[in-house]
Amino acid sequence: QKEVEQDPGPLSVPEGAIVSLNCTYSNSAFQYFMWYRQYSRKGPELLMYTYSSGNKEDGRFTAQVDKSSKYISLFIRDSQPSDSATYLCAMSAWTGANNLFFGTGTRLTVIP
Amino acid sequence: DAGITQSPRYKITETGRQVTLMCHQTWSHSYMFWYRQDLGHGLRLIYYSAAADITDKGEVPDGYVVSRSKTENFPLTLESATRSQTSVYFCASRPPGVNSPLHFGNGTRLTVT
Repeated sequence: QKEVEQDPGPLSVPEGAIVSLNCTYSNSAFQYFMWYRQYSRKGPELLMYTYSSGNKEDGRFTAQVDKSSKYISLFIRDSQPSDSATYLCAMSAWTGANNLFFGTGTRLTVIP
Repeated sequence: DAGITQSPRYKITETGRQVTLMCHQTWSHSYMFWYRQDLGHGLRLIYYSAAADITDKGEVPDGYVVSRSKTENFPLTLESATRSQTSVYFCASRPPGVNSPLHFGNGTRLTVT
């Protein structure tokens, strides 16, 4: 079983839709949860960073962590064509860890 | 401009050849990493370095060699390339300290024929 599971999609939504991206994990020691966005032919860039359980909001993006269910989500409101990218979840057991575990990524396309 | 630069962007090599992928960062970040990205596997850590002359293995180190004689450079060498090493390779760096994010380069797409 992989440490982190993520539905690869692809996911296509119309512009303005609410997008929900999800990951599940098996290691209960994970405490730090990240979402990276990766445009085609580019490196991943950090989008959201959360610690432990709860929600974090940044503009149109909300990251949610449910440690009891070992489930994390990224919500994108009012999705834009510029949000079209692959979204990777990542997590680690301690801050500054060098053993960051990534999901396989979900490819999202927002259709104008 | 400050950032992390990988070269070459694309490389085709033959089985058995040695190939070196270059990574250079201008932030003076202490930590540097090499990942490979494959369909169905996501990003997997090959090697990382906490400082010059300090390196350690990641999840998939076999067949790879790294060195770090200067803080800003972290080359990755495939000693004898195999087809299974066909992948996209990403270099990343981060400063020490809590909550510091990884900064990725734009990758090297390597094909081993």
